[in-house]
Amino acid sequence: QITLKESGPTQVKPTETLTLTCTFSGFSLSTFGLGVVWIRQPPGKALEWLALLYWNDDKRYSPSLKSRVTLTKDTSKNQVVLTMTDMDPVDTATYYCAHRIAVGGTHYFEYWGQGILVTVSS
Amino acid sequence: SYELTQPLSVSVALGQTARITCGGNNIGSRSVHWYQQKPGQAPVLLICRDSNRPSGIPERFSGSNSGNTATLTISRAQGGDEADYYCQVWDSSTVVIFGGGTKLTVL
Repeated sequence: QITLKESGPTQVKPTETLTLTCTFSGFSLSTFGLGVVWIRQPPGKALEWLALLYWNDDKRYSPSLKSRVTLTKDTSKNQVVLTMTDMDPVDTATYYCAHRIAVGGTHYFEYWGQGILVTVSS
Repeated sequence: SYELTQPLSVSVALGQTARITCGGNNIGSRSVHWYQQKPGQAPVLLICRDSNRPSGIPERFSGSNSGNTATLTISRAQGGDEADYYCQVWDSSTVVIFGGGTKLTVL
């Protein structure tokens, strides 16, 4: 059974750096083809993809956030860490991590964490 | 960059069929995935690869994709189907693209 859970601060101040951890079980990021993605959703707004980490440590970032976002993984702990710098109130959102499935040249997300609401406010 | 367009809202009478569209340039050449999100909950994968239902998803939910429009069809709509629905594609450059979401209201 695959599960994921996000953890980290629920409030940060403007200009601070946000660090969120996705802890998962039921799969290993050392397994060929697997990946973990981060997606966020501002209150009342649509889903927005942030970043993707592949099993081979390859990473992809949203072009609009590439300069502020970094992904790292700790395979032994089954964790993926998202770091986002220079936080702004517009970054207030629920942040989700999800398990990426790749089939037939496409990718989608069958397993999601519960999400963590991060508020950026002074 | 590639964009997906969804109607902001769709209404359907109880027991009738709802259709939610996802528009994109030649989207029929891509695989489209659909997610359902109820208030306060994480999204749930509803349809993958245009028309495939993951285990546990009722047959009332179906998908199709052709030309410039992908469609999520919800048959015999129930009150419990009220939710936001998002389409998603994979793009080699932008990687992950979501539509803007559609709020389904069951009347």
